[in-house]
Amino acid sequence: QQQVKQSPQSLIVQKGGISIINCAYENTAFDYFPWYQQFPGKGPALLIAIRPDVSEKKEGRFTISFNKSAKQFSLHIMDSQPGDSATYFCAASSDRGSTLGRLYFGRGTQLTVWP
Amino acid sequence: DVKVTQSSRYLVKRTGEKVFLECVQDMDHENMFWYRQDPGLGLRLIYFSYDVKMKEKGDIPEGYSVSREKKERFSLILESASTNQTSMYLCASSRTGFGDGYTFGSGTRLTVV
Repeated sequence: QQQVKQSPQSLIVQKGGISIINCAYENTAFDYFPWYQQFPGKGPALLIAIRPDVSEKKEGRFTISFNKSAKQFSLHIMDSQPGDSATYFCAASSDRGSTLGRLYFGRGTQLTVWP
Repeated sequence: DVKVTQSSRYLVKRTGEKVFLECVQDMDHENMFWYRQDPGLGLRLIYFSYDVKMKEKGDIPEGYSVSREKKERFSLILESASTNQTSMYLCASSRTGFGDGYTFGSGTRLTVV
C-alpha cells in the first residue's frame, strides 16, 4: 500500500508560470514532510521541508502548503524557470515507532519548464 | 557537506553474476538505506540499517542482501543478478532522532545482460 500518493506524474509549465505538485497521505503519525529535487544523473537532494505545526513554508520561489485536516501537502514553484526542470518527490516520515526516520516517498513528478 | 559516495556510477554485469554495490558516508550517520529507482515506480526501499551489523527488509528485498560491518559503509549484494534487476540504485543516509531527511548518493546505474 502506497503511503504517500503524488500527482501529477508529469507536468509541463511555461517559463514564468506556477508549477504545482500535490501529495496526500493517510498515516496521521507522519510529522515531517520533505520535498526532494532530482536532476538527471544525480541523486535526489532535499529542496524544502515542513512540519505540521505550520501551514506554509517558503524558501525563495519554492513554497510548501500543508493542510493537516485534509492530510495533503503541495509544492508550489513560482516564476518557474527552465533550470527547475527535474523530477520532484514528496515524502513523509514519523519520529515515532520502530521505523524511526524512515521516509515514505511519492512516485515522483517529472517537471518540464519550457522557455 | 555530508557526502554519500557510491563506488560506481555505471556497471554492466552478466546474468547470474554476484554483484556488490558499495556505499560510504562520511558524517557518522546511524541510518543507511538502499533504494532502486525505476521510471513510473519512483523510489522503492530494498533494505535499510539503523546500526552496525543490523539490517531490516524494505518493501522489495527479494533477490538482494546487505552487509553493514562498519558504521560508514553499507553494501548491497545481488546474489545472482537477473535482467529484472537492471535499474538505478540509490544509497542514502540519515541521523537518528533529528527527522531531517536523507542525504543521497549520486546513484549506480546497473545493467544486467
